[in-house]
Amino acid sequence: DAGITQSPRYKITETGRQVTLMCHQTWSHSYMFWYRQDLGHGLRLIYYSAAADITDKGEVPDGYVVSRSKTENFPLTLESATRSQTSVYFCASSENPGQREAFFGQGTRLTVV
Amino acid sequence: AQKVTQAQTEISVVEKEDVTLDCVYETRDTTYYLFWYKQPPSGELVFLIRRNSFDEQNEISGRYSWNFQKSTSSFNFTITASQVVDSAVYFCALSKYNDMRFGAGTRLTVKP
Repeated sequence: DAGITQSPRYKITETGRQVTLMCHQTWSHSYMFWYRQDLGHGLRLIYYSAAADITDKGEVPDGYVVSRSKTENFPLTLESATRSQTSVYFCASSENPGQREAFFGQGTRLTVV
Repeated sequence: AQKVTQAQTEISVVEKEDVTLDCVYETRDTTYYLFWYKQPPSGELVFLIRRNSFDEQNEISGRYSWNFQKSTSSFNFTITASQVVDSAVYFCALSKYNDMRFGAGTRLTVKP
């Protein structure tokens, strides 16, 4: 199916563990993004990527790592999860974020205990 | 730096009332794009509208209308004759080249 999918949808992990959130899009959009959504903060940009092998930090990158070896995939890794990283994570893609809308995945609810 | 402010955290109205959601943005760029997204209780983010910085025409789409004013750096969203199905969190966003920044969102509750 065409679109953007995130996995898993729900994840519970322990403090200190490494966890990877997956994002896959089928449109071949050049741009991909990771946001976290927290009450009172809206959506905050963690990392974005303009193309394969090109990534850059957003507003809140600390504690996160991304990679983009293929255009369609943009995984987000929490190297050592902390409770403050408990959040809902959204992946998005866009043909051109300066001019076109972004399409969002369903979100991943991550709980760090 | 780009910034989007949605000062209204929560709004509650009764069905059929009109409601306006405020959005104020900050940017030093002359070329930029503004967006509104809706997040219903199901959680997904739905695109509503895009406006570029050179187009200050207001737009109307059914019960929805948007007022873009560069002089006040505002891009406000009005729902006319609100319905229960309009209950959602609404986000305003500002985009320039590679990144898109969102406001904190306004939670709209429409009561029957």
